[in-house]
Amino acid sequence: DVKVTQSSRYLVKRTGEKVFLECVQDMDHENMFWYRQDPGLGLRLIYFSYDVKMKEKGDIPEGYSVSREKKERFSLILESASTNQTSMYLCASRWGSNTEAFFGQGTRLTVV
Amino acid sequence: DAKTTQPNSMESNEEEPVHLPCNHSTISGTDYIHWYRQLPSQGPEYVIHGLTSNVNNRMASLAIAEDRKSSTLILHRATLRDAAVYYCILRDGGGADGLTFGKGTHLIIQP
Repeated sequence: DVKVTQSSRYLVKRTGEKVFLECVQDMDHENMFWYRQDPGLGLRLIYFSYDVKMKEKGDIPEGYSVSREKKERFSLILESASTNQTSMYLCASRWGSNTEAFFGQGTRLTVV
Repeated sequence: DAKTTQPNSMESNEEEPVHLPCNHSTISGTDYIHWYRQLPSQGPEYVIHGLTSNVNNRMASLAIAEDRKSSTLILHRATLRDAAVYYCILRDGGGADGLTFGKGTHLIIQP
């Protein structure tokens, strides 16, 4: 089975901290994605990557950056965490365009 | 990206068929129609996708209108475990893109 693993299920950070959310997939997928999910707003795409060292902005990239140094790992970075970044963060991967995407279980981040 | 329109919520009874509609009037000729669902406290999971012809798999069926401006996800016999948010997404057949979700339909199953 394809596995997309997010490093933490729950995380609490302080305002101003630099936060790293890690995502690892074990199926040699080309594409990886980061979303945040908030009540009433659905899933919103933050960034995606279609290859190592490649990244594209999604709909809401402000306040975030990403890193993809190895094919299996896609990191989401909050340079200076703020309370409005409290959310559920979901990582996904897929082999290529128009193929099935697989999601991790999510990281619930609380910024206090 | 072409947009989709889905009802905010739907309710159905257990063991009955469920028809979840999706409108996509601005669909292009190369857009595939994908459906995902998200069970409570879980990440989304793939359900089915198609281009022009109706599609069936173990989870559901996808009925695509002849003009492709709408489609319907069919759960043949709903169970309580099918209670979830269902997302209809359009994807271009070529090139990398971001897989953009809308707000989906919250399906409620009554016992």
